[in-house]
Formats: sequence, C-alpha cells, structure tokens
Amino acid sequence: GEDVEQSLFLSVREGDSSVINCTYTDSSSTYLYWYKQEPGAGLQLLTYIFSNMDMKQDQRLTVLLNKKDKHLSLRIADTQTGDSAIYFCASGSARQLTFGSGTQLTVLP
Amino acid sequence: NAGVMQNPRHLVRRRGQEARLRCSPMKGHSHVYWYRQLPEEGLKFMVYLQKENIIDESGMPKERFSAEFPKEGPSILRIQQVVRGDSAAYFCASSPGQREQPQHFGDGTRLSIL
Repeated sequence: GEDVEQSLFLSVREGDSSVINCTYTDSSSTYLYWYKQEPGAGLQLLTYIFSNMDMKQDQRLTVLLNKKDKHLSLRIADTQTGDSAIYFCASGSARQLTFGSGTQLTVLP
Repeated sequence: NAGVMQNPRHLVRRRGQEARLRCSPMKGHSHVYWYRQLPEEGLKFMVYLQKENIIDESGMPKERFSAEFPKEGPSILRIQQVVRGDSAAYFCASSPGQREQPQHFGDGTRLSIL
C-alpha cells in the first residue's frame, strides 16, 4: 500500500523557522496536504499543494515539493508557541488520504 | 459557518456493546470519509461514502464495522460487539466531491471500551 513517512519530533525556539519534512510513495497523488492537530482536537487543514507545483507560500507557511524525490516540506516562519502541535502530511486521491504518523512540534520560549 | 459536526465527542462502551458514531458534513458537501486514529499514530482510512452509496470500504474491518450515509440525516459509523482494540479516535471528513477538493475534518469521537 501507499506510505507516508515523517520524523516524529521537532523542537525549535520561538521566533526561529521550523521545517517539517515528509516523504511519500503515491506518485499518482494530485494534491499533497498539511494538517495540524492540537491536543484533543480534530485536524485543521493548513495548506495543500498541487502536484505540478514546486512551491506554495501562504503567510508564514511555505510548502516545497520535490516530485522527483517524492519529498514534501512545510516551513513555518517566525514560529510561535501557538504553533506547538502535531503536523500531519497526507497524500492521496479524492477517494482516500494516506497520513504520516505526524511530527510533534515543540516551540521553546 | 458550521464545519463537520461529529457526536458524541466522547463515548464509553463496555465490551460486547454497540457503538454508533455520527457525522454531519459541512454544508454543501456530499462526500463523507471515516478515519481511525490509534494512540500515537496517524489516521488510517476506513470508508468513503456518498449519499446512499459506499464508494470505497477498503479500510473497513471485515466484521463488526459498518457505515452508512442515508439520503436524509448524518452519516453513521456503527461498531457491533465492541472490543478493547476498538478504543481510538474516529474522525469524519467531508468534501464537495468535485475533483480533488481537500477533505475537512471534524473534531472526532473518542471511543473508550471498558
């Protein structure tokens, strides 16, 4: 089956940039997604990128896609304590999404 | 501007009982998806439904689990004769269904089996 891999933990200092990385195997994905999950809550759609793009910027968020290497990254500029959460990368089709195990981002004061 | 609504937020059942989880999609969305999240793991796809049709149930366990999305009312995920291993967070997502529109998630139902 399809697979999505992410590192489990990332710690950064407040004000620094965070970069969360993801690799995926589904070459047929039309879009790739980043979701944020805070404790006890559902998944909040942060951003998504069309597979024929290589970069998308949305305020403090920058998504980079290397389709050849099947590598996706999410950069959060000027990271704040409110950004502490689990971040999920997802690939897939209109039928179903395949999620990574999530990256726990901890923002240190 | 209601998002995807799931209820109950928390559900406690004893082994052998039935669990019913409900999901009302966002306004204008006709496609519903169910995912399960075990502790410390990512979400795993279970089933994809449109009104009155199951489109893809490749992630559903073969026994005890069923899902429906009737013409009227919410989508229901039903788990019969629950076991301890069913304890998880169950998330519903919806989308408009056109092409590759992103899925929007509810806050989930946390199911605990005693």
